Amino acid sequence: GDSVTQMEGPVTLSEEAFLTINCTYTATGYPSLFWYVQYPGEGLQLLLKATKADDKGSNKGFEATYRKETTSFHLEKGSVQVSDSAVYFCALTDHRYNFNKFYFGSGTKLNVKP
Amino acid sequence: NAGVTQTPKFRILKIGQSMTLQCAQDMNHNYMYWYRQDPGMGLKLIYYSVGAGITDKGEVPNGYNVSRSTTEDFPLRLELAAPSQTSVYFCASRGQGTNEKLFFGSGTQLSVL
Repeated sequence: GDSVTQMEGPVTLSEEAFLTINCTYTATGYPSLFWYVQYPGEGLQLLLKATKADDKGSNKGFEATYRKETTSFHLEKGSVQVSDSAVYFCALTDHRYNFNKFYFGSGTKLNVKP
Repeated sequence: NAGVTQTPKFRILKIGQSMTLQCAQDMNHNYMYWYRQDPGMGLKLIYYSVGAGITDKGEVPNGYNVSRSTTEDFPLRLELAAPSQTSVYFCASRGQGTNEKLFFGSGTQLSVL
């Protein structure tokens, strides 16, 4: 079945460091891929998305490229800020077979130190 | 625009008690979802609904029930609460298109003691 695997955290970085959070997926159809972010005490909110192979999603300095050949959707940011401290979730929805359902990874907690 | 509203924010139950978690959205979304989030385990789908009167099981439906009598409301019922149901519960909704994003409520933290 469909699933998402992302790197375990927590990830601790200093301000202005480069960030990569790995995400790989398994899907039987044609998935759309998402990164959601959860700030402390809040619900998840969409950070970026990509709907087909080679698409790049971007928002607030974060980027992720839909790589069908490696079934990956890694999240990157060139220079993190303390305000980026949150939990990041990779997710997919499969248009062909299970488009009603969203599958989430286990989340990666990011701590950014001043 | 309120978005997705969940109540209560916190609740402590005794083993065997019952309760209903409320969820309402004001965006006229057809699709609504209930997830639970256990520490370090990500989100697991409990139940979902594709429209009023239509519900279906997700990955972890045991011990829960839902109903969808209106487009706006999607309550989650816990019968005979157990410690294994201690978790944070999130309600979410989305619009009709296949690429529509999920909108999440702020969550309900439930402890069963």
